[in-house]
Formats: sequence, C-alpha cells, structure tokens
Amino acid sequence: GQNIDQPTEMTATEGAIVQINCTYQTSGFNGLFWYQQHAGEAPTFLSYNVLDGLEEKGRFSSFLSRSKGYSYLLLKELQMKDSASYLCAVRDSNYQLIWGAGTKLIIKP
Amino acid sequence: NAGVTQTPKFQVLKTGQSMTLQCAQDMNHEYMSWYRQDPGMGLRLIHYSVGAGITDQGEVPNGYNVSRSTTEDFPLRLLSAAPSQTSVYFCASSPVDSASGANVLTFGAGSRLTVL
Repeated sequence: GQNIDQPTEMTATEGAIVQINCTYQTSGFNGLFWYQQHAGEAPTFLSYNVLDGLEEKGRFSSFLSRSKGYSYLLLKELQMKDSASYLCAVRDSNYQLIWGAGTKLIIKP
Repeated sequence: NAGVTQTPKFQVLKTGQSMTLQCAQDMNHEYMSWYRQDPGMGLRLIHYSVGAGITDQGEVPNGYNVSRSTTEDFPLRLLSAAPSQTSVYFCASSPVDSASGANVLTFGAGSRLTVL
C-alpha cells in the first residue's frame, strides 16, 4: 500500500530552527509537496521537490532524497505565525497526490 | 480574482438528507478536485475532473456524485447523507500543464459538514 509518515506534533521555540520529516512509500514518484495549513483554514502551497537536493525559499527549505523515500521541511527563524500544520504529499505514478496526516507545529515564545 | 470559492462554509444535515456543496474557480484551471479531511488522517480524494465533461473517482467516492458542465464549476452532491460523511470538505484546482510541472493546488476555504 501507499504510505506517508510524518510526526503528529512538534514543539519549537520562537527564533529557533525546526526540521519536519516525511518518509514515503508510494507506487511511483512524480514529485513531493509541502503545504501549510493554519487551524480552520485551507492548505497553502509551500514547496515542491522532484529532484534530489535542497530547495530554499526564504526562511523555508525543503530537501528530498528519492533513494531513501525521505524529505524534510526546514523552518528557520521561527515566528509565532508559523504555528500551523505542515502537510507532506507525494504525487504517485498515476499523478494522484497521496497525503500525510500532517505535523502540527507549536511555537512557544 | 477570487480564486476558489466554496459554499456553504457550514452545514448541518440529518441522516438521509441530500445536499450539494458548490465550488467555483476563476483561474481557468482545467483540474478540479474534492477532498475530505478528517482528524488524524491525510486529505482523501473523493472525485476529480481534468476538464469540462470529464470526471473520475478518487480514493473515497462512495456516497458522492460530481459533474463538470463548465470549466469554472465543480459541485459535489451528497446523495443520502450518513454520519460517516461528517467531515471538512475542500475543493481544489490546478492547471494541467507538463507532466514535470508542479501543478500546484489552490484550495477553497473549506466546508464543514455535520450529519446527525
């Protein structure tokens, strides 16, 4: 079966760095996405990786290793507004998205 | 540019009732989809469409119908509501370009449905 694993919840301190991991087992791979979802709101796109390596976008970076079925989202200089759930999704061989359950990130002052 | 508009935001139904969740997008996206989001689970695809007149089933289609008569609109119909359909529903759209493209989804604000 297809499976996306991410930690359920993480806590970090304002101003610090946090890494959210995502491991996947899917039938084929055509890209990995990270979305941010604030409580009670819609998911919004953060990053897309299709090749191995690091993609940097401001305070957020995303890393992919296809051979290991592994990705992480790195958030630097954490701000209170970064408190949200972070969703990992993989596009499979049929170009359908398989979603993880999300990681709830709690930022403490 | 409104993006993806979903209505209603909240709805309470009794078991056996039917209703339609509306979704409209003004970005001329070919791809539209409906997801449900339940606590502790990833988003699950209900139905999707890659263009007007074309629809297909996702992971959890039972109890739901869709149609795509125009590029802009993609309504989701609950035929006979059951408590198991209590969930938050999201409509999402994206362009369909090259297979290597990201084709990022834009989500509507969500519809919270409770079936008693």
